[in-house]
Amino acid sequence: GDSVTQTEGLVTLTKGLPVMLNCTYQTTYSPFLFWYVQHLNEAPKLLLKSSTDNKRTEHQGFYATLHKSSSSFHLQKSSVQLSDSALYFCALRGSWQLIFGSGTQLTVMP
Amino acid sequence: EAAVTQSPRNKVAVTGGKVTLSCNQTNNHNNMYWYRQDTGHGLRLIHYSYGAGSTEKGDIPDGYKASRPSQENFSLILELATPSQTSVYFCASGDPGQISGNTLYFGEGSRLIVV
Repeated sequence: GDSVTQTEGLVTLTKGLPVMLNCTYQTTYSPFLFWYVQHLNEAPKLLLKSSTDNKRTEHQGFYATLHKSSSSFHLQKSSVQLSDSALYFCALRGSWQLIFGSGTQLTVMP
Repeated sequence: EAAVTQSPRNKVAVTGGKVTLSCNQTNNHNNMYWYRQDTGHGLRLIHYSYGAGSTEKGDIPDGYKASRPSQENFSLILELATPSQTSVYFCASGDPGQISGNTLYFGEGSRLIVV
């Protein structure tokens, strides 16, 4: 069945460094992926969603590219800020629901 | 901005008691969802609904019931609460199955502790 895998449970970085959060998926349908971000004690919110194959999408300094060849939709940012500390979920569009990965907690240190 | 509101935001219940979590959306979305969030498990789907009067089982429905009396309202019911149901529960509305991949909008969450 459809599934999403996020391999890192916890990522800790110093402010100003680049980050990549991994997301791979399995589906028999045409893939459509999302990244959601959840700050402490808040609701998950959409960060960005995929476009066509090999096309980069960007929002708030974060970017991701759907690669069908490798079934991946990794989230990247060139320079993390303290305010980026949050829980990040990758999600795959199903026929009637979103299928979420287990999430990656990003902690940015001063 | 789409709006999903949940109540109560915090609840302490006794084992064996009944708990009802309520959700209201003003987005006019057909689909509504109840998830629970636990460390290491991400967001897991409990029940969902396609519209008023419909409820469907998600991935972890055991111990939960759902009710969708109207387009706007979707409740999650724990008839006999157990400590294993201690969690944070999120309601969401949206239609992610559409070709354009519509967004899910989440409520602020309901923190339930069963003692």
